[in-house]
Amino acid sequence: DVKVTQSSRYLVKRTGEKVFLECVQDMDHENMFWYRQDPGLGLRLIYFSYDVKMKEKGDIPEGYSVSREKKERFSLILESASTNQTSMYLCASSSPAEDSIEQFFGPGTRLTVL
Amino acid sequence: AQSVAQPEDQVNVAEGNPLTVKCTYSVSGNPYLFWYVQYPNRGLQFLLKYITGDNLVKGSYGFEAEFNKSQTSFHLKKPSALVSDSALYFCAVRGFYNQGGKLIFGQGTELSVKP
Repeated sequence: DVKVTQSSRYLVKRTGEKVFLECVQDMDHENMFWYRQDPGLGLRLIYFSYDVKMKEKGDIPEGYSVSREKKERFSLILESASTNQTSMYLCASSSPAEDSIEQFFGPGTRLTVL
Repeated sequence: AQSVAQPEDQVNVAEGNPLTVKCTYSVSGNPYLFWYVQYPNRGLQFLLKYITGDNLVKGSYGFEAEFNKSQTSFHLKKPSALVSDSALYFCAVRGFYNQGGKLIFGQGTELSVKP
């Protein structure tokens, strides 16, 4: 089974702090994704990556950056956390193969910015 | 533009009754369609997908979904609901011309199954 792990389940940070959210997958997937989930808004794509060192902006990239130095690891960075970034953050990975393109999700990190 | 709509924020069903969670989509070309389930404070779990072939797709936990091209719908169904099916359900679509495997998700439908 695909396993996607995220570094923290719950995180509390202060406004202005730099925050790192880490995601690791063990299925050699090329594609990796970061979403945030807010009530009534569903999942919104922040950034995605289809290869090492490659990244593309999603729908809401403002205030975030990402890093993908190794195939299995995709990091989300909040350069200066703000209260409006309090949310559930979900990482996912997928294969580009047509018969197995579904995304597999990690357990999520619930981030609170005070 | 690609989009997914889940017209019901909440669906209430009695245990043992059939359930339907609705999803409609808009995408260029042939769609790839997915259903996911999320239990409280957990990530999303993949239930089933439609890529091509038979319009009726069977997935995990007894769920199935029917692809209807003329109505651009992909409704999730189960013949007999269980209390343990209570969760948040997301429909997602990927367009044929989509790069990088991006999915567009619906807003989610809260399913509540009462004993």
